[in-house]
Amino acid sequence: DAGVIQSPRHEVTEMGQEVTLRCKPISGHNSLFWYRQTMMRGLELLIYFNNNVPIDDSGMPEDRFSAKMPNASFSTLKIQPSEPRDSAVYFCASSIWGDEQYFGPGTRLTVT
Amino acid sequence: AQSVSQHNHHVILSEAASLELGCNYSYGGTVNLFWYVQYPGQHLQLLLKYFSGDPLVKGIKGFEAEFIKSKFSFNLRKPSVQWSDTAEYFCAVSGNNDMRFGAGTRLTVKP
Repeated sequence: DAGVIQSPRHEVTEMGQEVTLRCKPISGHNSLFWYRQTMMRGLELLIYFNNNVPIDDSGMPEDRFSAKMPNASFSTLKIQPSEPRDSAVYFCASSIWGDEQYFGPGTRLTVT
Repeated sequence: AQSVSQHNHHVILSEAASLELGCNYSYGGTVNLFWYVQYPGQHLQLLLKYFSGDPLVKGIKGFEAEFIKSKFSFNLRKPSVQWSDTAEYFCAVSGNNDMRFGAGTRLTVKP
């Protein structure tokens, strides 16, 4: 298996633009997690899904952020409009619920 | 929701020193416990995990962790650290339909 796949790996955008981050989980995994990591705030859980259903989105910072999982093999995290404080590394991880999470390589987002 | 506490924010050690990183969680039910490592510029990877059985768990690269149920703790240990162990270490807990990570402990090993 190729592991968790995230795209793009790097994204540079201007403030106010829409940003869409993509994730393909490992086949057979039924849980998917989105995290944000910065030096200031550390690793933050934004949202997670079980069987494509959002279970806890309490970590989503504000309404500018939204996440979807239309099927078991794809998820998106969208920021609209983006702001400079959204600059971070965004990780997607998948697992069989309750077991080890496998992390993707991350998307480094820079909002200027 | 359950929570995970890692008491040490930044630990600095010399090579060959022994390591112990603390992790406590707040949840009384059955839990699965994990330690992950994140090397500089990389993503998180699993070091070891505990589901049941022997409370002393051995992981990769000489790391081990001990589950003490009465103390709600799952501390990570290594008898002799190397410069290459410089990384950030995260404790995680899953249970009761929830999964949480601790804030992480940055380990710096001086050569």
